Amino acid sequence: KQEVTQIPAALSVPEGENLVLNCSFTDSAIYNLQWFRQDPGKGLTSLLLIQSSQREQTSGRLNASLDKSSGRSTLYIAASQPGDSATYLCAVRLQGNKLVFGAGTILRVKS
Amino acid sequence: SQTIHQWPATLVQPVGSPLSLECTVEGTSNPNLYWYRQAAGRGLQLLFYSVGIGQISSEVPQNLSASRPQDRQFILSSKKLLLSDSGFYLCAWSQIEIHTQYFGPGTRLTVL
Repeated sequence: KQEVTQIPAALSVPEGENLVLNCSFTDSAIYNLQWFRQDPGKGLTSLLLIQSSQREQTSGRLNASLDKSSGRSTLYIAASQPGDSATYLCAVRLQGNKLVFGAGTILRVKS
Repeated sequence: SQTIHQWPATLVQPVGSPLSLECTVEGTSNPNLYWYRQAAGRGLQLLFYSVGIGQISSEVPQNLSASRPQDRQFILSSKKLLLSDSGFYLCAWSQIEIHTQYFGPGTRLTVL
């Protein structure tokens, strides 16, 4: 059974810091890995999607990497801003377009 | 462009009462549709998914059921709610060939 773990569970940083969120999964047989952002009481917004054949994806200040063989992904946020405060979720896609989610990392960026 | 709607946004129901949550998608046809539940402090759990009208797959045994009466409508139901049904329910859709899932705004359900 696929399990997804995110570390740390919560993170508080001052504005301007670069930070890394970690995601690990137990079964490397995935189709892709996706990072989402969730604001309190809201739905999920897709940030980056990395196909299983790719090593990384970048969007603005965000960079996500994938090491499928070791079952790890990282989300790097450069020059963090208070508006980045949210819960960040990673999810791996299995056969049949099923997503298995981690519990998330709650990020707070202090101004 | 595609949009996904969920209603109601919040719901407070007594134990034993019925439930009906609705999800609709606009701007696309024949989407895959999903229901997830997010319990406090836990990740999202896939409850049901559908690849077409009347085609429902259940991921976990539970007190809930799902139906897809129309191509872009997905309904989550229960005949009798339990306290453990409380949570944040999210609907999502994806195009079969693209596979990225897009999420709705969610419904906060509190069972008292």
